[in-house]
Amino acid sequence: AQSVAQPEDQVNVAEGNPLTVKCTYSVSGNPYLFWYVQYPNRGLQFFLKYITGDNLVKGSYGFEAEFNKSQTSFHLKKPSALVSDSALYFCAVRPTYGQNFVFGPGTRLSVLP
Amino acid sequence: KAGVTQTPRYLIKTRGQQVTLSCSPISGHRSVSWYQQTPGQGLQFLFEYFSETQRNKGNFPGRFSGRQFSNSRSEMNVSTLELGDSALYLCASSLATGSEAFFGQGTRLTVV
Repeated sequence: AQSVAQPEDQVNVAEGNPLTVKCTYSVSGNPYLFWYVQYPNRGLQFFLKYITGDNLVKGSYGFEAEFNKSQTSFHLKKPSALVSDSALYFCAVRPTYGQNFVFGPGTRLSVLP
Repeated sequence: KAGVTQTPRYLIKTRGQQVTLSCSPISGHRSVSWYQQTPGQGLQFLFEYFSETQRNKGNFPGRFSGRQFSNSRSEMNVSTLELGDSALYLCASSLATGSEAFFGQGTRLTVV
């Protein structure tokens, strides 16, 4: 079965420190990989994606995600966290072209001032 | 460019009733997907439509149904509502199946 794991329900980081939100997946083939962010009382917002090419994908607001095929991981990172980064982050995969998204359970990121 | 629009934003229904939710995708997007979000189950895929045809379906009972119109607008219907159907229902549109999806604000359904 296809699945996405986000091993941490909650990540707490002090402002200015680096942050990592982890994601691993179990999907056959070469999936498309995504990160979405959800702010309170809002829908999901597309954040960044990996389709092919360079394993390091750069997104908005200084975020980047690193694809590691051997570890089947797609961790989200930022070198210096801001309080405004606090939100619920979802990792998602699209197994093959034309198939639906599979979402992870989400990780709540809290950046403390 | 307008985003994905879902109506209504909030709904309160009683058990046994039926409900219809609406989604207008981003102009030009032909793929529309529906998801149910609950605190316990997270985001669960309901179904996906592309050019008026259902392409994928999640593991939900037959009480959950949907359709897509020729202008790509989509509706989902839930019949014989149960308390457990209370959730945030999210609609997402894509330019094509395989590209990133853009989500609406959701419809929060409360069944009492």
